[in-house]
Amino acid sequence: NAGVMQNPRHLVRRRGQEARLRCSPMKGHSHVYWYRQLPEEGLKFMVYLQKENIIDESGMPKERFSAEFPKEGPSILRIQQVVRGDSAAYFCASSHGPRITNEKLFFGSGTQLSVL
Amino acid sequence: AQSVTQPDIHITVSEGASLELRCNYSYGATPYLFWYVQSPGQGLQLLLKYFSGDTLVQGIKGFEAEFKRSQSSFNLRKPSVHWSDAAEYFCAVGAQGAGGTSYGKLTFGQGTILTVHP
Repeated sequence: NAGVMQNPRHLVRRRGQEARLRCSPMKGHSHVYWYRQLPEEGLKFMVYLQKENIIDESGMPKERFSAEFPKEGPSILRIQQVVRGDSAAYFCASSHGPRITNEKLFFGSGTQLSVL
Repeated sequence: AQSVTQPDIHITVSEGASLELRCNYSYGATPYLFWYVQSPGQGLQLLLKYFSGDTLVQGIKGFEAEFKRSQSSFNLRKPSVHWSDAAEYFCAVGAQGAGGTSYGKLTFGQGTILTVHP
């Protein structure tokens, strides 16, 4: 079983460009989470999605950031008009079911976004 | 809102020595507590978790952690450290959501980097 796959591993963008980060959850997992890790900080929750639905986006910046998890294909985290402060490692995690007491979160290796 | 504090940013130990990584949390109810390990260029791997019951929990790779409600702590321990344990360790807390359920929305501490000397 392949783990949580994130691509690209490294993404370089210039200020004002768009960044698209992809996450393919583990096979059979329909719950996806995105976290952001700024330098020398812990991971910060951004958004929780279940197939075709956003369940909790309380950690998403109000502007420029969006996420989707379509019925087919990977989950996408999209950042429009990137700024230097968006430079960070973005991690995706997936689980089979919603309850953390019953399930285990599996993390991908992350996408390192660098904004020039 | 819940929060997690890992007071030690960087810890260095000799191989074979014992290890304790500190974690303090702030949460109004009984928390769900986790320890994760992150090796360079890798995602996070779950070491152990506490939801209820026995306050001393055993995890993978010989790690254990003890939940102490009176001290709001969940410290990670290992009796004898191996060179392969060098990594960054994160403590995290999960909240009980509506209807008593809880999903994978975790609050992480800033991490402790462990260096192991031969």
